[in-house]
Amino acid sequence: VQLVESGGGLVQPGGSLRLSCAASGFIFSNYWMHWVRQAPGKGLVWVSHMSNDGTTISYADSVKGRFTISRDNAKNTLYLQMNSLRAEDTAVYYCARDHGYGGDSDYWGQGILVTVSS
Amino acid sequence: DIVMTQSPDSLAVSLGERATINCKSSQSVLFSSNNNNYLAWYQQNPGQPPKLLIYWASNRASGVPDRFSGSGSGTDFTLTISSLQAEDVAVYYCQQYYSPPFTFGQGTRLEI
Repeated sequence: VQLVESGGGLVQPGGSLRLSCAASGFIFSNYWMHWVRQAPGKGLVWVSHMSNDGTTISYADSVKGRFTISRDNAKNTLYLQMNSLRAEDTAVYYCARDHGYGGDSDYWGQGILVTVSS
Repeated sequence: DIVMTQSPDSLAVSLGERATINCKSSQSVLFSSNNNNYLAWYQQNPGQPPKLLIYWASNRASGVPDRFSGSGSGTDFTLTISSLQAEDVAVYYCQQYYSPPFTFGQGTRLEI
């Protein structure tokens, strides 16, 4: 199992960024997926999840209306579109595979840093 | 949202001794239909992603040494490391996945 995030970087407040998570080593279309973030020196914060077929989605209140999770099962890729970015969105963003037991995550990517600053 | 509170924030334990970390949820995470607690424990080393240790409150994830154990039900949970090894120095997080958002505790830093 491998999860590789990309698309991070430096963006100005109010700007947009799209993160990608390329999955391999498992049948991507069978698994729910999550995004979790971690601000520098801080704890883990769950951001969003999506069902294997894309029909069920949830978001943390802090990103609702600004972030959009999506997936392309043909490309084995999970996405996170982030709009109206704020300084407090600065974090390492991890994609994680759902364990299949209700919402915990058994495999994680190495993470990608998003920095929101002028 | 369900609030997860861990205690203590940091903990120092001697090698070979027992380490105990507590996690309390603001509401029950016990799913009555299957009698499972939707509570996980993770270990995170600096610069690394989290590693799943325990799911459903007391089930060890694949490859996790048996010195790690989880217990508790409802709102009160414990992660125990029976005999601390040097490689167990890390930050530990609990997470509820009973209902979204799947909130984490603030983390507990474990030191030698």
